[in-house]
Amino acid sequence: ETGVTQSPTHLIKTRGQQVTLRCSSQSGHNTVSWYQQALGQGPQFIFQYYREEENGRGNFPPRFSGLQFPNYSSELNVNALELDDSALYLCASSPVAGVSQETQYFGPGTRLLVL
Amino acid sequence: AQTVTQSQPEMSVQEAETVTLSCTYDTSESDYYLFWYKQPPSRQMILVIRQEAYKQQNATENRFSVNFQKAAKSFSLKISDSQLGDAAMYFCAYRSGGTSYGKLTFGQGTILTVHP
Repeated sequence: ETGVTQSPTHLIKTRGQQVTLRCSSQSGHNTVSWYQQALGQGPQFIFQYYREEENGRGNFPPRFSGLQFPNYSSELNVNALELDDSALYLCASSPVAGVSQETQYFGPGTRLLVL
Repeated sequence: AQTVTQSQPEMSVQEAETVTLSCTYDTSESDYYLFWYKQPPSRQMILVIRQEAYKQQNATENRFSVNFQKAAKSFSLKISDSQLGDAAMYFCAYRSGGTSYGKLTFGQGTILTVHP
């Protein structure tokens, strides 16, 4: 167990709807990253938040947005859901500056199905 | 942009034997980190081992060790004394160094099957 939790575990939505996924970082971690993992593929980086500011973004459209809160929990919001958004969404947190700052620890993921 | 390639979609090994998973990467950077993650069917991504590019010594964690060849841009994972619990999808990942911003770039993964 990494100490990173995500909710919900599974979610079913309809095309065009909006969804919010949540992540609680491991204690002492101030950086959170979100990844999308299609079935049978490696995770793809969506974005990263550091001290409540977006700190980098992958090749995802603006309808993917996020928030990081003062307690370092985080949300991933996806608007206007498309069928291709069906995937496992992973949250990963990293420690504050130190030896393992560059290491990311993952949560169990949220499986999103868009119908 | 950096790329990570895992050329073995599937590998299998007998329990107690040794298996090596391959990974190559492409980068123009000199400061970076490499990781192996394990993702069992429970789907939680678990860190197996990490390697700093500036270190010549290969990282080792119990039964897991890497063969890091910086010039060849190769980063293979060796699992010794394989156990049934090692069965999972294994991902190689790359992270740029020297910055607080660090996305991970993953390979396509290798499914490891362990036979009793």
